[in-house]
Amino acid sequence: GDSVTQTEGPVTLSEGTSLTVNCSYETKQYPTLFWYVQYPGEGPQLLFKVPKANEKGSSRGFEATYNKEATSFHLQKASVQESDSAVYYCALTKGGSALGRLHFGAGTQLIVIP
Amino acid sequence: EAAVTQSPRNKVTVTGGNVTLSCRQTNSHNYMYWYRQDTGHGLRLIHYSYGAGNLQIGDVPDGYKATRTTQEDFFLLLELASPSQTSLYFCASSRDNSGNTLYFGEGSRLIVV
Repeated sequence: GDSVTQTEGPVTLSEGTSLTVNCSYETKQYPTLFWYVQYPGEGPQLLFKVPKANEKGSSRGFEATYNKEATSFHLQKASVQESDSAVYYCALTKGGSALGRLHFGAGTQLIVIP
Repeated sequence: EAAVTQSPRNKVTVTGGNVTLSCRQTNSHNYMYWYRQDTGHGLRLIHYSYGAGNLQIGDVPDGYKATRTTQEDFFLLLELASPSQTSLYFCASSRDNSGNTLYFGEGSRLIVV
């Protein structure tokens, strides 16, 4: 079946340092890949999505490249801020017969210390 | 902007109790979803629907019923609540099933004692 595996948290960083959250996926079809972010007390919201292999998505200084060969979609940011403290979810959907259901990873909590 | 509203935001019930969580979306979206969020498991899909009167089973449906009464309203029913159903529940909506963005509500925290 479909699955998403991501870096186990919490990840604690100092402001200004770089971030990598690993995400690997398994699916038999070609998915659309997502990163969602959940700030404290809120529901998850889309950070960005990438529907095609070998393309890059980005938003708010975060970026990830859809690597079909490695089945990976790692999230990166060059310099984190305290306001980036949140839980980050990697997810995939296949659409079509799967009715667009999203499969989420377990989430990675990021704590940024000022 | 997309709007998904859940109620109640917090609920405490006893084992064996009856609970209904409500969700309303004003996005004119066809698809609606119920997820539960637990530490170590992330977000797991309980039930979803692609229109009024339609219901699809998700990945963790046991102990839950759902009903989509209108395009706007989607309800999650726990008829015999158990402590294992203590969780944070999220409702979401999306326009269609082709990799479209999900818009989430703010969550309903349920505690079963």
